[in-house]
Amino acid sequence: DTGVSQDPRHKITKRGQNVTFRCDPISEHNRLYWYRQTLGQGPEFLTYFQNEAQLEKSRLLSDRFSAERPKGSFSTLEIQRTEQGDSAMYLCASSEPSGTPAYEQYFGPGTRLTVT
Amino acid sequence: DAKTTQPNSMESNEEEPVHLPCNHSTISGTDYIHWYRQLPSQGPEYVIHGLTSNVNNRMASLAIAEDRKSSTLILHRATLRDAAVYYCILRVPIQGAQKLVFGQGTRLTINP
Repeated sequence: DTGVSQDPRHKITKRGQNVTFRCDPISEHNRLYWYRQTLGQGPEFLTYFQNEAQLEKSRLLSDRFSAERPKGSFSTLEIQRTEQGDSAMYLCASSEPSGTPAYEQYFGPGTRLTVT
Repeated sequence: DAKTTQPNSMESNEEEPVHLPCNHSTISGTDYIHWYRQLPSQGPEYVIHGLTSNVNNRMASLAIAEDRKSSTLILHRATLRDAAVYYCILRVPIQGAQKLVFGQGTRLTINP
């Protein structure tokens, strides 16, 4: 498999519960990004990892959100005490190390979260 | 972050060329212009990018205005599989990488 994978693809949870999503990037990519997409809107940047280091976080990432990338491989995004406003598609992307001309980001299929 | 403006929707016929416009009047000198598209129930996929010169690849062409305040994505012969939301994006530097700043995109419908 050469693409970015995300798990689960769909998650339904009740308000107040915690949820965790996983992203497996393309194996040789050391850069990993999380975006959030609400219905009818374009994706919004949430956070970025270079290897295991989280180097950039958006103001959208409230203190209920936490992301990790242990050992610089897969990443997890956790949302604590979910709210209905957290309902969205959570997209993961990865890209190659610096020096690659395009800096193209490869996106996974996303995890659709519904908070009831 | 600098922003892009695109029409909400466009429609074209199969096997005809499609020109998708984008305005980015606040672009800075180092911002690359990227186009991604998103098919239904999928993540976005890269289409093409450029800085100043027009660019061609197997998927599309990108025409960039001389003042870089606008650009046009050209699909030379649209197929039904090109029906998607097309995003014109400015790639903004962040520490050690770039983030993609998406707008609302143009929903392209292709008629058979």
